[in-house]
Amino acid sequence: DSGVTQTPKHLITATGQRVTLRCSPRSGDLSVYWYQQSLDQGLQFLIQYYNGEERAKGNILERFSAQQFPDLHSELNLSSLELGDSALYFCASSARGGPDTQYFGPGTRLTVL
Amino acid sequence: ELKVEQNPLFLSMQEGKNYTIYCNYSTTSDRLYWYRQDPGKSLESLFVLLSNGAVKQEGRLMASLDTKARLSTLHITAAVHDLSATYFCAVDNMEYGNKLVFGAGTILRVKS
Repeated sequence: DSGVTQTPKHLITATGQRVTLRCSPRSGDLSVYWYQQSLDQGLQFLIQYYNGEERAKGNILERFSAQQFPDLHSELNLSSLELGDSALYFCASSARGGPDTQYFGPGTRLTVL
Repeated sequence: ELKVEQNPLFLSMQEGKNYTIYCNYSTTSDRLYWYRQDPGKSLESLFVLLSNGAVKQEGRLMASLDTKARLSTLHITAAVHDLSATYFCAVDNMEYGNKLVFGAGTILRVKS
C-alpha cells in the first residue's frame, strides 16, 4: 500500500458524459500527478500539481481538467467522454515539486460505453 | 523529446534462469526509475538510480545505470514464479517538465 488513495475504483459511463476522479496523496506529499494507462498509448503523463498550483502539463486533452485543493487532494475531471477515453487513470504523489520518487495509487478504471 | 525504449517487450523464462531487461533513453535524465505492475494493479516502486554507475539490489533483482550510454538494466537472478509481472523503466528530466516518461513495459512470465 503506497498511501495514495483513489476513488472510485471502477467507473462505467456513457459517451458524452462527465466524470470526476479523486485522489488523496500520501501524508506530507505536496505534488500530485495524473497518468493515463491504455493498451495502445501505454502510460502517459497528464498533469502535475504542486501545493495547489499547476506545475507541469503533458498531453492532456482540453476536455480534461484537474485541480488540487487546499487540503492537497486532487480531482481529475473528464468531460464529453469518448470511447477512447476508456483507460486506467492513476494518481501519484511525491514529497517535492522536482525530480522525486512518485508513489502510485490503486487507479480508477474508466469504461466508456 | 524524451523517449524511453525497453526490450524485450515480452519475456518468458524458466524458474531458476537468469535474464536482463534493457532500458534505453534518448537524452540526459535526472533520475531513472524501475516500477513493477501486477495485472490490474498499481505501480510499485522498485529502484531509483541517481548517478552513473549506480547499482541497486533487492532480492533477485538488480538494477544498474550507465548515463554515458543512456542505458539501464534490470537483471533477474534465478527467477521464481512470484517475479511474474510487468516491469517499467521511467526517466524524468526537468527540461521536459516534472513528469515521468515510461517505457512500454516488459511482460515477464516465469514458468515453473
